[in-house]
Amino acid sequence: DAGVTQSPTHLIKTRGQQVTLRCSPKSGHDTVSWYQQALGQGPQFIFQYYEEEERQRGNFPDRFSGHQFPNYSSELNVNALLLGDSALYLCASSLVGDLLFTGELFFGEGSRLTVL
Amino acid sequence: AQTVTQSQPEMSVQEAETVTLSCTYDTSESDYYLFWYKQPPSRQMILVIRQEAYKQQNATENRFSVNFQKAAKSFSLKISDSQLGDAAMYFCAYRGDNQGGKLIFGQGTELSVKP
Repeated sequence: DAGVTQSPTHLIKTRGQQVTLRCSPKSGHDTVSWYQQALGQGPQFIFQYYEEEERQRGNFPDRFSGHQFPNYSSELNVNALLLGDSALYLCASSLVGDLLFTGELFFGEGSRLTVL
Repeated sequence: AQTVTQSQPEMSVQEAETVTLSCTYDTSESDYYLFWYKQPPSRQMILVIRQEAYKQQNATENRFSVNFQKAAKSFSLKISDSQLGDAAMYFCAYRGDNQGGKLIFGQGTELSVKP
């Protein structure tokens, strides 16, 4: 049973470019949340997707956008990259029913983005 | 807004000994969940233990237990019989009621285990 998988694992971009990160949730899960983890910090919530719609959003600018596909996989897009966007981007999945009662998230290993 | 604070950036423990990691949080809600996640060098966050605020009994998972003090808004993690594999970053996290996948994390505590 595959867990949460993310791609790519590492990537380097330059300021002003755009990036797309991908996430496949754990088998059977239907919700995906994205987090940004700067070096030496705890993860910060970006947004959550369920039924192909953004359901919750953290304090991130509109440069951060996402999408969820019918197979529950998800993409995170960041436009007009800034140096400060350099971070580990974590994807987490859950089954929406479990989320209501337990709050447990299953995380992937993340995509390390470096902006030069 | 809710906040989570971990005041110990680094902790160290001798193998087989016990260590306690501290966490405090601030909220005006009465129903919420608290978590401890472990992040080893592989970067994958792994759930260690979970506590529902409405439960007075402290959660326990094998060698891991918590001391949940709701009035004091404190949620510490005790690791007994520490093992080399316990070395990692530990994050305390808060989730409000009906907040879906939105966790609020602390800054983390890096735990090292000495053989």
